[in-house]
Amino acid sequence: DGGITQSPKYLFRKEGQNVTLSCEQNLNHDAMYWYRQDPGQGLRLIYYSQIVNDFQKGDIAEGYSVSREKKESFPLTVTSAQKNPTAFYLCATSFGNNYGYTFGSGTRLTVV
Amino acid sequence: GESVGLHLPTLSVQEGDNSIINCAYSNSASDYFIWYKQESGKGPQFIIDIRSNMDKRQGQRVTVLLNKTVKHLSLQIAATQPGDSAVYFCAENGPNQAGTALIFGKGTTLSVSS
Repeated sequence: DGGITQSPKYLFRKEGQNVTLSCEQNLNHDAMYWYRQDPGQGLRLIYYSQIVNDFQKGDIAEGYSVSREKKESFPLTVTSAQKNPTAFYLCATSFGNNYGYTFGSGTRLTVV
Repeated sequence: GESVGLHLPTLSVQEGDNSIINCAYSNSASDYFIWYKQESGKGPQFIIDIRSNMDKRQGQRVTVLLNKTVKHLSLQIAATQPGDSAVYFCAENGPNQAGTALIFGKGTTLSVSS
């Protein structure tokens, strides 16, 4: 939404499998973020990146990995080390910490 | 810190009523605050923001009030409509240091009945 594309919208993962969630933006925002949302819960920060080739762990980074090779792209890999990956994953972008975020439409990941 | 306190997880109102959603923030260094609306199955949408040099800001049918003394933020929605039914989150920018991210509150589910 609003220049952020998350794909796929729905994703199913088998036990022990790594999956990658895509987040692409054309807003020319420097900062990008990944949040996890569980049913009826708030947003928990997984990883964020303020500039290309740099990223920091959020509150719940274990079992996840990211890369930021291009300004437009910030993919999230959910690894087999993440024991409870079923959740709604949201990507967001901003000009920086003193500006609001624009969110994507989310990816719903389910373990089967 | 995460926004806690004065938090009602759900709020039910009648169409046409005014709604007030409250949020408390714990980090006194926060100087930027935002309200988001999230409809079911969608990403959050920006509603309105406010910086700490203001105590009130108005948008279309929405008003945000900031009380820095008690670290309290509220969102007022005038003439609430069924389309306003959603989860509302407040967010703060925390210590305002380089390399940090917004801190989100737990969310309040607003239900509007006709």
